[in-house]
Amino acid sequence: EVQLVESGGGLVKPGGSLRLSCAASGFTFDAYTMNWVRQAPGKGLEWVSSITASSTYIFYADSLRGRFTISRDNAKNSLYLQMNSLRAEDTAVYYCARDFVTGGYFDSWGQGTLVTVSS
Amino acid sequence: SYDLTQPPSVSVSPGQAARITCSGDSFPTKNAYWYQQKSGQAPVLVIFEDNKRPSGIPARFSGSISGTMATLTISGAQVEDEADYYCYSRDNSHKGVFGGGTKLTVL
Repeated sequence: EVQLVESGGGLVKPGGSLRLSCAASGFTFDAYTMNWVRQAPGKGLEWVSSITASSTYIFYADSLRGRFTISRDNAKNSLYLQMNSLRAEDTAVYYCARDFVTGGYFDSWGQGTLVTVSS
Repeated sequence: SYDLTQPPSVSVSPGQAARITCSGDSFPTKNAYWYQQKSGQAPVLVIFEDNKRPSGIPARFSGSISGTMATLTISGAQVEDEADYYCYSRDNSHKGVFGGGTKLTVL
């Protein structure tokens, strides 16, 4: 069974940093593109970033303006999101999501981790 | 940037057909995908590649594309279909794009 478990969320002050992790199990992690998707309270889904299986290609939403960095450690079956210069508008549930094997969409999601940016 | 536009809400009575639209300039060149999200839960894929249904998704869910409009149809909507629905696609730069979401009410 595919499992994606996010961790690392919490309360952080504006301008602060946070690193999210996603532990993957139940599938061959190093064969899949992985993604982060977020959802602000009461708002819609927003794609944040994706990283291909070997980290060859990385993509970010334009709205992030270089503040976030996605990475992965295939030896540890883990995905990460380093978030810097956090703003109130970054407050959201952050989901880890696996791409379908041939790409195009997300076929598995974690349950999410809440990040709250507030003073 | 590439935008997908959905109506904020759709309301139907149980047993009626519910149609949720998603307008995007890259359709039909790019595929449309649909996710269902119930309160407090992670999204669930209900349609992929415009009109294909994943295993386990009831047959009353279907998808179509006409021109620049993708449509999710729930034939004979049930109370348990009440949820937020999001269309999704990818732009030419491999970046993901979600529509704003449509709240479906069945009552």
